[in-house]
Amino acid sequence: EVQLVESGGGLVQPGRSLKLSCAASGFTFSNYYMAWVRQAPKKGLEWVATISTSGSRTYYPDSVKGRFTISRDNAKSSLYLQMNSLKSEDTATYYCARHHPGPEVDYWGQGVMVTVSS
Amino acid sequence: DVVMTQTPVSLSLAIGQPASISCKSSQSLLGTSGKTFLNWILQRPGQSPKRLIYQVSKLYSEVPDRFSGSGSETEFTLKISRVEAEDLGVYYCWQGTHFPHTFGAGTKLELK
Repeated sequence: EVQLVESGGGLVQPGRSLKLSCAASGFTFSNYYMAWVRQAPKKGLEWVATISTSGSRTYYPDSVKGRFTISRDNAKSSLYLQMNSLKSEDTATYYCARHHPGPEVDYWGQGVMVTVSS
Repeated sequence: DVVMTQTPVSLSLAIGQPASISCKSSQSLLGTSGKTFLNWILQRPGQSPKRLIYQVSKLYSEVPDRFSGSGSETEFTLKISRVEAEDLGVYYCWQGTHFPHTFGAGTKLELK
């Protein structure tokens, strides 16, 4: 069974950093592109980042480019999101997601909440 | 960025009634591969999103066949032939053809 379990969320002050983790199981992690998608409270969904199987290619929207970094450790079947210079508008539930068969997402994690507030 | 416009914003239907949700994109979603990466997902209350349909009309294996997807280029439709109680929630279309990937604002399906 495919499982994606996020961790690392919490309350953080504006301008500070936070690193999210996603532990994957039930599939060969290194074979799949992975992504982070977020959802602000009572709002819609926003794609945040995608990473290739080896980690050599990454993609971001302008809203987080230069502040967020997606990475992975295939040996640990883990996905990460390093978030720097956090802003109040980054407050959201962050979902780990698996891309398959192409850019589609076939599995989503349960989400982890990040609150950026002083 | 590609703008995804969903209508209606909400639907209130009785069990057994059909449902139809429209999704329009500001650019063609036909990719250079010849595939159209238009997806539909459902987010039930208090849950994470769940997959429904990919590449316009392909149902994931666990999705009931009362769901169907259609469309091309910039106009797409999700249909439910007969709504059931488990179908309530917010439906989102989203595109994976262009970066950044973008989502519609969602259509909330409520039961009457």
